[in-house]
Amino acid sequence: DAGITQSPRHKVTETGTPVTLRCHQTENHRYMYWYRQDPGHGLRLIHYSYGVKDTDKGEVSDGYSVSRSKTEDFLLTLESATSSQTSVYFCAIRKSGTSGISEQFFGPGTRLTVL
Amino acid sequence: QQQVKQSPQSLIVQKGGISIINCAYENTAFDYFPWYQQFPGKGPALLIAIRPDVSEKKEGRFTISFNKSAKQFSLHIMDSQPGDSATYFCAASNGGTDKLIFGTGTRLQVFP
Repeated sequence: DAGITQSPRHKVTETGTPVTLRCHQTENHRYMYWYRQDPGHGLRLIHYSYGVKDTDKGEVSDGYSVSRSKTEDFLLTLESATSSQTSVYFCAIRKSGTSGISEQFFGPGTRLTVL
Repeated sequence: QQQVKQSPQSLIVQKGGISIINCAYENTAFDYFPWYQQFPGKGPALLIAIRPDVSEKKEGRFTISFNKSAKQFSLHIMDSQPGDSATYFCAASNGGTDKLIFGTGTRLQVFP
């Protein structure tokens, strides 16, 4: 399972409230990613990190911010949640696979509902 | 803008049959093409991946076929089993960026 945990696993919140999702890894990988998964869209990259305090935007970053103060934790924050952010959020890490190619491995996901 | 188009959306196959899922891409800079398998309530799991320097890669019952000139790649599942019932996603990325672009997924159901 690549040593990735996500918390919380489920959350229901109201429009306008701030929400923070946590991704924790135990294997000290440099690269970490946040994706959202929605029906008809597959998975879309929100933000990613290539080291402590080093982050960059993905394809759907509007309305989201991230922080990485230590290698093992990557936080995703919705400053003011909207109903369009109802989704399943996945964290991923990058590590070398058996063929030597860097591959992404996903956590179990967080289901977020914004009412 | 969908840079990776996946079809079909859903697929029903009899046990022992061959499941085929297709993907097409637009960006010729893509150089890494993985397939992920996802069971309900779980995160996607890497199944098999290919680079454009080969036309085919096989791992057990799973094979990726790659056609660089047509900008298409496909997943073949031989001898499909009920345990293969899951959603499959193709993806692509541009070397070094790690920004995976996913297809929209194919829900596969294998009936005994």
